[in-house]
Amino acid sequence: DTGVSQDPRHKITKRGQNVTFRCDPISEHNRLYWYRQTLGQGPEFLTYFQNEAQLEKSRLLSDRFSAERPKGSFSTLEIQRTEQGDSAMYLCASSTGQFEGGYTFGSGTRLTVV
Amino acid sequence: AQSVTQLDSHVSVSEGTPVLLRCNYSSSYSPSLFWYVQHPNKGLQLLLKYTSAATLVKGINGFEAEFKKSETSFHLTKPSAHMSDAAEYFCVVSGYGMRFGAGTRLTVKP
Repeated sequence: DTGVSQDPRHKITKRGQNVTFRCDPISEHNRLYWYRQTLGQGPEFLTYFQNEAQLEKSRLLSDRFSAERPKGSFSTLEIQRTEQGDSAMYLCASSTGQFEGGYTFGSGTRLTVV
Repeated sequence: AQSVTQLDSHVSVSEGTPVLLRCNYSSSYSPSLFWYVQHPNKGLQLLLKYTSAATLVKGINGFEAEFKKSETSFHLTKPSAHMSDAAEYFCVVSGYGMRFGAGTRLTVKP
């Protein structure tokens, strides 16, 4: 399978706990993006990496959120001290870095904070 | 800054009739524009893209979109709707991180 993989598919956690999601992009893609999608809304940009460098972060990415891509391959998104408002679908996408190419999205990780 | 506005949150058509999903964009330079589709419990799928070549862009499943710079629009059309077209559609403008519209839910009635 050469698509974008995300793990886990679903995560239920108690408020205040930390969670970590993983994204494995298409191997030849050097750009990796994280988005958040809440019910009835379009995906909102969170952050993106070119290789291992994090080049942009949205103001939506509070200090409880951290993303890494240590070797320029897979990426992790960690949310500390989760809040109910963090409940959403977290989407990962990758691309070759050419704006014209469009992105390939993973199926997402659905987070529910109870 | 780039942004898109999808003018209809919900569109309902009958099977076999034309589909029109409207999108206006705002960009400080010549944009790349995309339409994505999201079926329930499925991932986002690229329908088509405009990258400053031909202004009429053909995509998958019979969809097409026309880039009109004078109107700053990139509307998605299909001549004849099929039941399987029922989904959420997103207009997207490129930049450092693609910016999505709020989405248009397409309902297809038998």
